[in-house]
This record gives sequence, C-alpha cells and structure tokens, in this order.
Amino acid sequence: GQNIDQPTEMTATEGAIVQINCTYQTSGFNGLFWYQQHAGEAPTFLSYNVLDGLEEKGRFSSFLSRSKGYSYLLLKELQMKDSASYLCAVTDSNYQLIWGAGTKLIIKP
Amino acid sequence: NAGVTQTPKFRVLKTGQSMTLLCAQDMNHEYMYWYRQDPGMGLRLIHYSVGEGTTAKGEVPDGYNVSRSTTEDFPLRLLSAAPSQTSVYFCASVSATHADTQYFGPGTRLTVL
Repeated sequence: GQNIDQPTEMTATEGAIVQINCTYQTSGFNGLFWYQQHAGEAPTFLSYNVLDGLEEKGRFSSFLSRSKGYSYLLLKELQMKDSASYLCAVTDSNYQLIWGAGTKLIIKP
Repeated sequence: NAGVTQTPKFRVLKTGQSMTLLCAQDMNHEYMYWYRQDPGMGLRLIHYSVGEGTTAKGEVPDGYNVSRSTTEDFPLRLLSAAPSQTSVYFCASVSATHADTQYFGPGTRLTVL
C-alpha cells in the first residue's frame, strides 16, 4: 500500500528552527510537496521537490532523498504566524497526490 | 481573477438528503480534484478530472458523483447523505503545464445528522 508518515505534533519556540520530517512509500514517485494549512483554512503551497537535494525559499527550505524515501521541511526564525499544520504529499506513478495526515506545529513565545 | 471558489461554505443535511457542492475555477486549469479532510487523516481524493468531459474515481468515490461539462466547473453530488460523509470538502485545480502547484478552494464544511 501507499503510505506517508509524519509526526502528529511538534512544539517549537519563537525565533528558533524546526525540522518536520516526512517518509514515504508509494508506487512510483513524481514529486513531493509541502503545504501549510492554518486551522479552518485551505492548504497553501510551500514547496515542491522532484530531484534530490535542498530547495531554499526564504525562511523555509525543503530537502528530498529519493533513495531513502525521505523529505524534511526546515523552518527558520520561527514566527507565531507559523503555527499551522504542515502537510507532506507525494505524486505517485499515476500522478495522483497521496497526502500525509499533517504535522501540527505549535509555536510558543 | 478569483482562483478556485466553492459554495456553500457550510451546510447541515439530514441523512438521506442529496445536495451538490459547487466548485469553479477561472484559471483555465485542465485538472480538477475533490478531496475530503477528516480529523487525524490526510486529504483523501474522491474524484478527479483531467479535462472537460472526463472524470475518474479517486480513493473514496462511493456515495459521490461528479461531472465536468465545462473547463471551469466541477460539481460534487452527494446522492443520499450519510453521517459518514460529515467532513470538510476541498476542491483543487492544477494547470497541466505547471503541475507543481495545486490551488485549493476555501472548503465546504458539511455536517450530516
């Protein structure tokens, strides 16, 4: 079966750095996405990785290792507005998105 | 440019009632998707369409119908609502030529009593 695992919840301090991990087992791979979802809102796109390595976008970076079926999202200089759920999703061989259950990130002052 | 719009935002149904959730996009995207999101679970694909006149089943299609008579519109029909269909429903669209980003509508929160 297809499976995406990410921690259910993480807590971090304002101004700090946090890394949210995602491991996946899917039938084929055509890209990995990270989305941010604030409570009661729709997911919004953060990053897309299709090749191994690190993609940096301001305070957010995303890493992919296809051989290990592993990705992480790195958030730097955490702000209170970063409190949200972070969803990992993988496009499989049929170009369908398989979604993880999301990681709820709680930022404390 | 409104992006992806969904109506209604909230709805309460009684078991056995039918209803249609509307989704429209004005970005001329070829691909459109319907997901449901339940607490503690990832988004689950209900139905999707890769172009006008086409539809396909996703992971959890039972109890739902869709149609794609225009590029812009992708309505989701609940034939006979059940409490298990209580969920938040999201519609999303993607451009076939820039398939690295899904654009989501604001969601419909549906409760079936």
